[in-house]
Parts: sequence; C-alpha cells; structure tokens
Amino acid sequence: KTQVEQSPQSLVVRQGENCVLQCNYSVTPDNHLRWFKQDTGKGLVSLTVLVDQKDKTSNGRYSATLDKDAKHSTLHITATLLDDTATYICVVGDRGSALGRLHFGAGTQLIVIP
Amino acid sequence: DMKVTQMPRYLIKRMGENVLLECGQDMSHETMYWYRQDPGLGLQLIYISYDVDSNSEGDIPKGYRVSRKKREHFSLILDSAKTNQTSVYFCASSLAQNANSDYTFGSGTRLLVI
Repeated sequence: KTQVEQSPQSLVVRQGENCVLQCNYSVTPDNHLRWFKQDTGKGLVSLTVLVDQKDKTSNGRYSATLDKDAKHSTLHITATLLDDTATYICVVGDRGSALGRLHFGAGTQLIVIP
Repeated sequence: DMKVTQMPRYLIKRMGENVLLECGQDMSHETMYWYRQDPGLGLQLIYISYDVDSNSEGDIPKGYRVSRKKREHFSLILDSAKTNQTSVYFCASSLAQNANSDYTFGSGTRLLVI
C-alpha cells in the first residue's frame, strides 16, 4: 500500500510562474521529510529536509512546509525557470537512525515551458 | 567533489544471464543502499549495507544479492536475470540514516533484460 502520495502527478507551468507540489503520507512514525529533485536520466538531489512537528524551510526559490499532525507537506517553487523541469520526489523517513526506512513517493513531474 | 559513481550506466542482458552492478563512493559513508525505480512507483529498497560485510534485506530482496568488501564499494548481483528485473537501479550512500545526514545518489544504471 502506497504510504506517500504526491499530487499532482504532473504539472505544466510557464517560466516565471509559481507552483506548489503536495505530499500526503501515512507513514508512522514520521521522523523527517525530505524533498528531492530528479532531472531526467539522473539521480536524486536533496532540496530540503523538514524535521519539526510544524516546520518550514527555504532554499533559494524553493520553500517547503511540513505539518506532522496533518501528515502533509508542500514544496513551493517561486519564479520557475526552464531548469526546474524535473521530477520532484517526497520522501518520509520513519526513524532518525540507520534502523529506519525511507518511504518514497512516485513523484510529481514538473514541466516548465517558455 | 563528493559523489556516488555507478557502473555501467546502461546494460542489456538476456534472461538467465548474471548481472553485476557496481557502486562506489568517495565520502567514507558507512551506510549504502540499492534501490530500483519503476514508472509510477516510488523507489523501492532492495538492500541496505551498514558497513563492510554488514548487509540487510530491504523491501524487495528476492532475486538479488549484494556484496560489500570495502566501505567505498557496494555491488548488486542478479543471478539469472529475469525480465521483471528490467528497471533503473540507484545506489545511494549516507553517513547515517537521519534527518541531518545528507543522502547522495548515483546517476543510476538502466538495466534491460530481454
């Protein structure tokens, strides 16, 4: 059973627009949540990690929120660029140790057009 | 530049042949992972290695085995490949599986079993 659900499955925006990606999960316990960017044919690159019960992070044009009560996270991309075209993957870690597991969402495919 | 290197990048094998996927990292990370990524699914953990000769099954270990004789090197072996093992395989490493530890992924090996 999928424990990390991402929406939308795919998204097309025009360069310069903002967008919001959603992540809902049922993983318990939920120690931390991480967003990755995966360019086509490449590996995953970490964008940000959220840890607290209600957390917010910012990394340049990327900002993220986490609400552990709602088991929900968002990734905001501001003023999108063509290079933002990629798949964005939400990952929930169930522990803060090597004994834990990472639970991966299937990703949101973002396409930025001129 | 810290990185995880996977070889080969692309591989075509016939059903029943043996397959060796190699992964190396230059960060002295204790923990290393093998995942597979299939369309529409999140990454699935095949095996995790906590250090040399300290390996544990992940969520989908059937049909795979691993070898870790040096900290910097982690191999995935398919004895008698099957067509349903066609996938993209990712290796990753981390210092420790916790929220404050960065995960570094390789660029993937695309395996086609015919």
